[in-house]
Amino acid sequence: EVQLLESGGGLVQPGGSLKLSCAASGFTFSSSAMTWVRQAPGKGLEWVAAISGSAATIYYVASVKGRFTISRDNSKNTLSLQMHNLRAEDTAVYFCAKGLRALPGAYDYWGQGTLVTVSS
Amino acid sequence: EIVMTQSPATLSVSPGESAALSCRASQSVDRNLAWYYRRPGQAPRLLIYGASTRATGIPARFSGSGSGTDFTLTISSLQSEDFAVYYCQHYSKWPITFGQGTRLEIK
Repeated sequence: EVQLLESGGGLVQPGGSLKLSCAASGFTFSSSAMTWVRQAPGKGLEWVAAISGSAATIYYVASVKGRFTISRDNSKNTLSLQMHNLRAEDTAVYFCAKGLRALPGAYDYWGQGTLVTVSS
Repeated sequence: EIVMTQSPATLSVSPGESAALSCRASQSVDRNLAWYYRRPGQAPRLLIYGASTRATGIPARFSGSGSGTDFTLTISSLQSEDFAVYYCQHYSKWPITFGQGTRLEIK
């Protein structure tokens, strides 16, 4: 059974940093593209960043480029999102998701999400 | 970036009836279109990819159609668990973008 479990969310002040993690199991992690998608309160889904199975290919949405870094450790089946210089508009539930096929693509399994709140 | 526009914002339908949800892209995405639904407190779930291919475990009452810029998700014989928010997503090029969602509610 595919499982994705996010962690690392919490309350952080504007300008602060936070690192999210996603523990994956039940599939061949190193062969799967992965992504982070977020949903702000009362808003829709917003794609944030994506990484190929080998980590050779990485993409970011413009609003987080230069502030967020997506990475993966295929030896530990873990996906990460390092977030710096956080802004109020980054407040959202962050989901990690598994790519159905190669990038770009659809995402067939999602975690339950972790809440990031940026506020003073 | 490609803007995805879903309509209507809210759709009220009685259980057992059918519903048609629309998604329009600001430029052609070919058939690189997926549909998801999300119930409150739950993770999003993939329903359709490639505009019309049902994901694993998705019942046949869900069907997708369209190509280019206009897409439709049709749900027949609505059941209680189908009432949720539905999102379309293109993956034609970067950045991937989602529609703003259609809330399907019980009439």
